[in-house]
Amino acid sequence: QKEVEQNSGPLSVPEGAIASLNCTYSDRGSQSFFWYRQYSGKSPELIMSIYSNGDKEDGRFTAQLNKASQYVSLLIRDSQPSDSATYLCAVRLGARQLTFGSGTQLTVLP
Amino acid sequence: ETGVTQTPRHLVMGMTNKKSLKCEQHLGHNAMYWYKQSAKKPLELMFVYSLEERVENNSVPSRFSPECPNSSHLFLHLHTLQPEDSALYLCASSRWTGSSYEQYFGPGTRLTVT
Repeated sequence: QKEVEQNSGPLSVPEGAIASLNCTYSDRGSQSFFWYRQYSGKSPELIMSIYSNGDKEDGRFTAQLNKASQYVSLLIRDSQPSDSATYLCAVRLGARQLTFGSGTQLTVLP
Repeated sequence: ETGVTQTPRHLVMGMTNKKSLKCEQHLGHNAMYWYKQSAKKPLELMFVYSLEERVENNSVPSRFSPECPNSSHLFLHLHTLQPEDSALYLCASSRWTGSSYEQYFGPGTRLTVT
């Protein structure tokens, strides 16, 4: 079983819709959770971090964490074509290193 | 955008060459990381340095040799690489203490081994 799993996609949503990206992790002791956005040919860019159960909102982005279900998600409201990218979920357990998922490719259609 | 810089941005080298990748962070962090990103594969952590000491080496072949002379600089020395080492090499930095371990990435070096 992979430590961090994401649907590879591609996920397509129309402009203005809500994009929902999901991530599950295997280690119940995981403590910190991050979402990165990576445009093609570029490096990952941190867009959200979440440390406790519940929702965290930042502009059009909302991260949701459910530790009991070992599930973290990212919602993008009012999706724009510029949101088209690969979204990486990362999880930290104990030590300071991060484990990354394979990423979900999102396409927002104009 | 310039919190973590990497040079060169692109590198083409033969299998017998020796080259070095350089990373510099301007964020006041005290931990630095090297990652490898190959097509269709998750980010692979290669090395971790905390307070200038190596704390992680994820079974990376010895043809990759890291160096961290201080908390702001990180190098990756390359020698006798193989074509399968062609990838995007990413440097990242973070704090090593406290409650925030957010990692910030540099722009990467696109390496092609011929």
